[in-house]
Amino acid sequence: ETGVTQTPRHLVMGMTNKKSLKCEQHLGHNAMYWYKQSAKKPLELMFVYSLEERVENNSVPSRFSPECPNSSHLFLHLHTLQPEDSALYLCASSQAGGRSNEQFFGPGTRLTVL
Amino acid sequence: GENVEQHPSTLSVQEGDSAVIKCTYSDSASNYFPWYKQELGKRPQLIIDIRSNVGEKKDQRIAVTLNKTAKHFSLHITETQPEDSAVYFCAASKNYGGATNKLIFGTGTLLAVQP
Repeated sequence: ETGVTQTPRHLVMGMTNKKSLKCEQHLGHNAMYWYKQSAKKPLELMFVYSLEERVENNSVPSRFSPECPNSSHLFLHLHTLQPEDSALYLCASSQAGGRSNEQFFGPGTRLTVL
Repeated sequence: GENVEQHPSTLSVQEGDSAVIKCTYSDSASNYFPWYKQELGKRPQLIIDIRSNVGEKKDQRIAVTLNKTAKHFSLHITETQPEDSAVYFCAASKNYGGATNKLIFGTGTLLAVQP
């Protein structure tokens, strides 16, 4: 499969559950991002990994925990979420330091917290 | 930090008309301004971008203009077609060519092209 893939596409979880979102990019990029997309709000950058090191954490609650084991994979571990965390979670990748700054997005995981 | 404002939030045009979406940014150090299109239920995709050393860029029916002094940039779509209906997001970044491309997004414009 090409581009950026995300699994699962849909997730319903209770506030006490622990789950993980997975992102994989097949573009040879070296930077990956997690965004949160809520209705009527701008895309919110949550985490940035460049060259497998986390370089940005925009004060995201600790109930969200990212993991980047290599340049192709990115995870978002979720625990004790709140209903307001329900949103579309988008992963993206880009080539850091390259001539193109384009970010390629995955299809997203639609998360519902009950 | 950087703040990006986008207007209008919704825009309805007749097929064949032009559409203009405007954004303003707050950080004068911003040097890269992409526009993303997100169709219903799909992922955002880059449609055009502009760097701060250029005032205008065009690609077929779409164009972007940048006014660095006023910190404004705009998306222009001419001869609109129903398939142009989508949510359009502007963004700004000051990390062009750097280790990461931290994009600050606007709130989006829902464009509806009426046949």
